[in-house]
Amino acid sequence: AQKVTQAQTEISVVEKEDVTLDCVYETRDTTYYLFWYKQPPSGELVFLIRRNSFDEQNEISGRYSWNFQKSTSSFNFTITASQVVDSAVYFCALSIKAAGNKLTFGGGTRVLVKP
Amino acid sequence: EAGVVQSPRYKIIEKKQPVAFWCNPISGHNTLYWYRQNLGQGPELLIRYENEEAVDDSQLPKDRFSAERLKGVDSTLKIQPAELGDSAVYLCASNHGITNTGELFFGEGSRLTVL
Repeated sequence: AQKVTQAQTEISVVEKEDVTLDCVYETRDTTYYLFWYKQPPSGELVFLIRRNSFDEQNEISGRYSWNFQKSTSSFNFTITASQVVDSAVYFCALSIKAAGNKLTFGGGTRVLVKP
Repeated sequence: EAGVVQSPRYKIIEKKQPVAFWCNPISGHNTLYWYRQNLGQGPELLIRYENEEAVDDSQLPKDRFSAERLKGVDSTLKIQPAELGDSAVYLCASNHGITNTGELFFGEGSRLTVL
């Protein structure tokens, strides 16, 4: 069975501070995908990134960066120079190819960026 | 391109009453998902459709929940009778089944409150 753990339930920062969201996953499969989704107050989950299990390269997209480490089963997400618009709940998720790529979500981390 | 459309956005009912949620996926997306998101938690899959066929309904409480996607396009999720514990946000999502790696496009959800 697969599992995703986001240990931080809520993080509060002041604008322009960096914030890192932790994600730890569990699976016995070797082929899987990891995701981050953003859920703003409107409620719609917005896709941010997908990584497959064979690609451990870190990725940067604007103020967002992701650190994938298979050795520690972690897929952490950093927002650099946070802005008020970054306030949302962020979900890490895992899909297993052998299970039809069904998405399993973590519990989410609420990020509050204060001006 | 229109996104995933759900209705109603909000519904308040008394326990034991029936309720139905409607979803229209992104045009051309043959895979449709219904997720339930309890307060402060990540979404959990209820049912997945490939065209009009339900291919994964293992987590759908079949005693009171039903779903249909008759023409392989829009879908309806019904609860009858509703219980207090059904209060949650019901999210619909879709994607291209052929290129399914887990990336989903979500609607804004239908928030159900059972009194």
